[in-house]
Amino acid sequence: EDQVTQSPEALRLQEGESSSLNCSYTVSGLRGLFWYRQDPGKGPEFLFTLYSAGEEKEKERLKATLTKKESFLHITAPKPEDSATYLCAVQANTGFQKLVFGTGTRLLVSP
Amino acid sequence: DTAVSQTPKYLVTQMGNDKSIKCEQNLGHDTMYWYKQDSKKFLKIMFSYNNKELIINETVPNRFSPKSPDKAHLNLHINSLELGDSAVYFCASSGTGNQPQHFGDGTRLSIL
Repeated sequence: EDQVTQSPEALRLQEGESSSLNCSYTVSGLRGLFWYRQDPGKGPEFLFTLYSAGEEKEKERLKATLTKKESFLHITAPKPEDSATYLCAVQANTGFQKLVFGTGTRLLVSP
Repeated sequence: DTAVSQTPKYLVTQMGNDKSIKCEQNLGHDTMYWYKQDSKKFLKIMFSYNNKELIINETVPNRFSPKSPDKAHLNLHINSLELGDSAVYFCASSGTGNQPQHFGDGTRLSIL
């Protein structure tokens, strides 16, 4: 069964204090790994898709990397507006487009 | 110009009632989904439709019946609501293959 585990559950940073979020996965053939950001009362907002080990994607202060077992979301010099829950999801190459999500990391960045 | 929109945003009702949630997307996507997010924020797929045809049904009780009148709309009807149905329901849509899914802002369902 496809599975995603995210750590830590919650992370508190000071503004400017860089850190990384972890997403470990097991999947029967990876079609894609997706990172989303979710703000309270909102739906998940797409950030990145990673397709193969060694791939990296960047957007502003965020950088996502992928290995065969895990993905990291690196946050460089975060700002308070980066506070949100970050969700990781995998899609297997079974022919269906279902996403299997982790339980997320709640990030709080204090000024 | 909301991409994926759901109505209503909040739904409060009594146990045993029947209710519907509507979803519309203007992204021109072929595939639409319903997900359930429980109180621990865990997001789990319920159904997926591709071009009005059901392609994923994740062992959801048959009190839940999705309906897709056209590829831009996917509605969710729930019969005989139970306390355990309280959750946030998200609609999403995507293009083909491994294209990212785009989510609506959810419908918070509370059963009294």
